Amino acid sequence: KQEVTQIPAALSVPEGENLVLNCSFTDSAIYNLQWFRQDPGKGLTSLLLIQSSQREQTSGRLNASLDKSSGRSTLYIAASQPGDSATYLCAVREDAGKSTFGDGTTLTVKP
Amino acid sequence: GAGVSQSPRYKVAKRGQDVALRCDPISGHVSLFWYQQALGQGPEFLTYFQNEAQLDKSGLPSDRFFAERPEGSVSTLKIQRTQQEDSAVYLCASSLDDRTNEKLFFGSGTQLSVL
Repeated sequence: KQEVTQIPAALSVPEGENLVLNCSFTDSAIYNLQWFRQDPGKGLTSLLLIQSSQREQTSGRLNASLDKSSGRSTLYIAASQPGDSATYLCAVREDAGKSTFGDGTTLTVKP
Repeated sequence: GAGVSQSPRYKVAKRGQDVALRCDPISGHVSLFWYQQALGQGPEFLTYFQNEAQLDKSGLPSDRFFAERPEGSVSTLKIQRTQQEDSAVYLCASSLDDRTNEKLFFGSGTQLSVL
C-alpha cells in the first residue's frame, strides 16, 4: 500500500525567502506525482504535475523535482510572498485511477 | 463548465438521515473521482469512474456509501443513514483521460456535518 509523507507539517518563513517542501512515498512504481495548494475552506488547486518519466517541472517561481528511486519529490518556492500562504499537498498516482495524498505542509509567509 | 462544480457547498444532516452530494465535472472530462477529507488531513480516495463505469470503489468506507454517474457526466455520492463519523469535506475531481498523464481538477467540496 502506497504511503505518502510530507515534512514538515508546518513552516513559517519571512517574505522573500526561498523554501523547499518535501514529499516522500513508499512505492516507487508511480504513474505521476502532482502538487496542489489548498486555501482554507477551499478545494485543491493544481500547481505542477510530474510524469513518471520526468525529473522536474517548472512554473513561474515554482519548481518541482522527482526522484523515483529514492521515493522523493520536492517543491521549491522562490522569493516567497504572503500570498503563497496555504497548505501544500502532494499526490502520488500509482496506476490509472486513484491518487494517494500526503497530509500536507501548511506554509505561512510573514510580511 | 469552467471548473468542477459541487453542490451543496454545506450540508447539515441529523444522524440517520440520507444525503446526496452532486458533482458536475469539467465538460468532456472522462474520469471522475470522489475523495473524503477530514480536518487537517489529506484527501482519502473513495471511488473512481471512467465515463459511466465505476472502475474502483475500494475506498468507500461502508455499504452506506454509494456513488453513480449514469450518463458519464454528473455524479452523485449518496450516504445512507449518516453517522457522526461521516462528517468531513467531500471533494470531487475530474481529469480529461486517465490513460495519459493528466492533471486532476478539484471542486470546492461539500462540507458535511452530521449532528
